[in-house]
Amino acid sequence: KQEVTQIPAALSVPEGENLVLNCSFTDSAIYNLQWFRQDPGKGLTSLLLIQSSQREQTSGRLNASLDKSSGRSTLYIAASQPGDSATYLCAVRDDYKLSFGAGTTVTVRA
Amino acid sequence: GAGVSQSPSNKVTEKGKDVELRCDPISGHTALYWYRQSLGQGLEFLIYFQGNSAPDKSGLPSDRFSAERTGGSVSTLTIQRTQQEDSAVYLCASSTGGRTGNTIYFGEGSWLTVV
Repeated sequence: KQEVTQIPAALSVPEGENLVLNCSFTDSAIYNLQWFRQDPGKGLTSLLLIQSSQREQTSGRLNASLDKSSGRSTLYIAASQPGDSATYLCAVRDDYKLSFGAGTTVTVRA
Repeated sequence: GAGVSQSPSNKVTEKGKDVELRCDPISGHTALYWYRQSLGQGLEFLIYFQGNSAPDKSGLPSDRFSAERTGGSVSTLTIQRTQQEDSAVYLCASSTGGRTGNTIYFGEGSWLTVV
């Protein structure tokens, strides 16, 4: 059974600092890995999708890397802003469904 | 529609009553998923549909939970004789296929409170 772990569980940084969020998974036989953002009381918004054959994916200030062989992914958010405050979830897709980590709750202080 | 649509967005029900939660996936998406997120917990897989078939129902917590999908589109999750531990956010998601590398898109969720 796939196990997904996210470290740290919570993170508080001053505005402008770069964020580094970590995700690890136990079974490397994955289709892809998705990073999501969840705001309080809201659903999940997809941020980045990395296919198993890719090493990284970028969108604006966000960059995600994937090392499938070691079962790790890292989400980097450059120059954080208060609007980046949210919970970030990592999910791996093996076969047809996603297995989720518990998330990292980020607070960016103005 | 433009995104995954769920209704109701919020539901408060009395213990023992039945509830129905509806999901309208993105047009053309053949794969549909239901997940549950309890307070302070991670996302828990409930069921997966490919078209109208449900090849994986392994996450449904008990026989009080059932789901169906009709016309390869709308899905309904039904919880019978609700219990307080059923209180959670029920999230629906869809994608263009089950066994593909495509993005899975989530709705805003149905927030269920059992009192």
